[in-house]
Order: sequence, then C-alpha cells, then structure tokens
Amino acid sequence: ILNVEQSPQSLHVQEGDSTNFTCSFPSSNFYALHWYRWETAKSPEALFVMTLNGDEKKKGRISATLNTKEGYSYLYIKGSQPEDSATYLCAFCDSWGKLQFGAGTQVVVTP
Amino acid sequence: GAGVSQSPSNKVTEKGKDVELRCDPISGHTALYWYRQSLGQGLEFLIYFQGNSAPDKSGLPSDRFSAERTGGSVSTLTIQRTQQEDSAVYLCASSLASSNQPQHFGDGTRLSIL
Repeated sequence: ILNVEQSPQSLHVQEGDSTNFTCSFPSSNFYALHWYRWETAKSPEALFVMTLNGDEKKKGRISATLNTKEGYSYLYIKGSQPEDSATYLCAFCDSWGKLQFGAGTQVVVTP
Repeated sequence: GAGVSQSPSNKVTEKGKDVELRCDPISGHTALYWYRQSLGQGLEFLIYFQGNSAPDKSGLPSDRFSAERTGGSVSTLTIQRTQQEDSAVYLCASSLASSNQPQHFGDGTRLSIL
C-alpha cells in the first residue's frame, strides 16, 4: 500500500490571501502526479498532471510544483476567492497507470 | 461532448440485496476506473480497466464486489449481498490512456444500504 499524504487536512483562508499545501508520495516507481479539485456536490475535476521533476504548472491563480526526487508537490492558490473553496486531491500514478489518492486538503475561503 | 455518465444517481436498497451500478465512459477513452468514497473518507481505488488487458482488481474489498467492461466501453460494478458498510458514493472515471492523462469523473452513484 502506497502512502500518499496531504497536509494540512483542512485550512481556512481569508479572501485575497494566498495559500499553499503539500502532497507527499513515494519517490520510487513514479510515473505521474495528478491534482484534482473536488467541490461539494460535484465530481472531481482535473487540475494538473505532472510528470517531470521540476515541473511547474499553472492554471489561472492556481499553480503546482513537483519534486520527484524527494517525493513532494506543492499546490499554490494566489489571491484566494470564495469559489476556490473545495477539497484538493493529489494522486500518485505508478507505471501501471493506477492512481493512489491522498485524503485531500479541504480549503475554505471566507469573504 | 458527453462526459462520463453514471446511473443510477442514487440507490437505496435493503441489506442482502444485489445492486448494479453502471458507468458509460467518454467515447474513445481506453482506461476506466471505479472508486468509492465512504463517509468521511478519501477516494478508495476499486478496479481499473485498460483496453483489452486483464483488469486490476486489487482494490475490490471483498469477493462480493465484481466489475466488467463490455466491448471496451460501458462498465458495470456489481455488489452482491450488500452490507451496510457498502454505503458510499461510487465514482467512475475514464481517461484517454493511463498514467499521464487526466481522469474525467462521473457524478457518482450514492448507494445507501438500509
């Protein structure tokens, strides 16, 4: 069983503030690292798929970095807005194509 | 285009009954995954189909759970002799290929066992 860990479990952010949180994963047999946003009453939505050490991806105010050697990825939200409130999931993908999800970081942005 | 479609959206059944959950993936997607989310838990991998290869069933929690994928498209997850601990949201996802392609999720089936 792989250990994909996300921290913190939850965080509260004031509107306009920036924040970041972590996903740690095994550094062996790495193929890709996925990030998803899961809003309440909706299905998970893909944010990024990262494959290369040092990768940086950006989508609007959300960005992510990847360090495969030490086994971690950061997700950053710049200038948080209430619509950013969601659970953010990371998933480790091995060479067989199977994803192991972390438990998620629940982000609550308050006006 | 159409996304991943799951049916039913909600299912309430009595303990001991069998249930079938259906997933219709995005056309052309060769990889199909089933997950479940129990109350207060994260996404739990159940089973993975990739093309014509034998499925990865390593996540199925017991032999009461089975899944098939007919013609490389529609998939059915069957739970026999349901138990209360089977209550969860069952999510299906598909992707163009495995690994470096994002997964596209359906809206899920909320299963409640009385």
